[in-house]
Amino acid sequence: DTPMTQSPSTLSASVGDRVTITCRAGQGVNSRLAWYQQKPGKAPKLLIYKASRLESGVPSRFSGSESGTGTEFTLTISSLQPEDFGTYYCQQYSSYSYTFGPGTWLE
Amino acid sequence: QVQLQESGPGLVKPSGTLSLTCAVSGDSNSTNNWWSWVRQSPGKGLEWIGEIYHTGATTYNPSLKSRVTMSFDKSKKQFSLQLTSVTAADTAVYYCARAGYSYSWSFYYYAMDAWGQGTSVTVSS
Repeated sequence: DTPMTQSPSTLSASVGDRVTITCRAGQGVNSRLAWYQQKPGKAPKLLIYKASRLESGVPSRFSGSESGTGTEFTLTISSLQPEDFGTYYCQQYSSYSYTFGPGTWLE
Repeated sequence: QVQLQESGPGLVKPSGTLSLTCAVSGDSNSTNNWWSWVRQSPGKGLEWIGEIYHTGATTYNPSLKSRVTMSFDKSKKQFSLQLTSVTAADTAVYYCARAGYSYSWSFYYYAMDAWGQGTSVTVSS
């Protein structure tokens, strides 16, 4: 089981802001890292997969990156829009298991 | 556009078995996809339960493995989850989801690109 941490746990931002959320894996995950957005009462929505690939239909203001160590990942929203508020989760896949981060609430 | 729909009892008694089914529609080619169950306890984060392939191959979360069984019915295009010996800690919204695969480029997403709307299950007497 690969533990995941996210920071910050809560993020206050305004429309137009550039927002960055960080996710750290307990060990290297070979770029098998995804980001999801979840709104209250709804299922998660895939934004980014394989660390930096944008899911079809997701606005280009969302981007993902990976540090050289392969254990630190970043989700960036270049210019925050009103519909972007919600909770963001990272998720890794390794050793035939998925693990989600604890989430970042963007308010 | 694939659609997933969970179904099953919303209330299960402690020590009983939770049984859910996920119906898949609108997916003309799903040969290489794996199908997962994910749950979310009230006010908490997401927990992966396990996944199944159309051949019946499965992988389970080690923390739940002793209580989980998944099955796949190709003829009905649905897959199922059974969780035994449930307690109040198993109260959650249960989602079924599809692990993404690019048929154009032949690679796995290692992420879930389609989700059901979720079904709430409460464990209580």
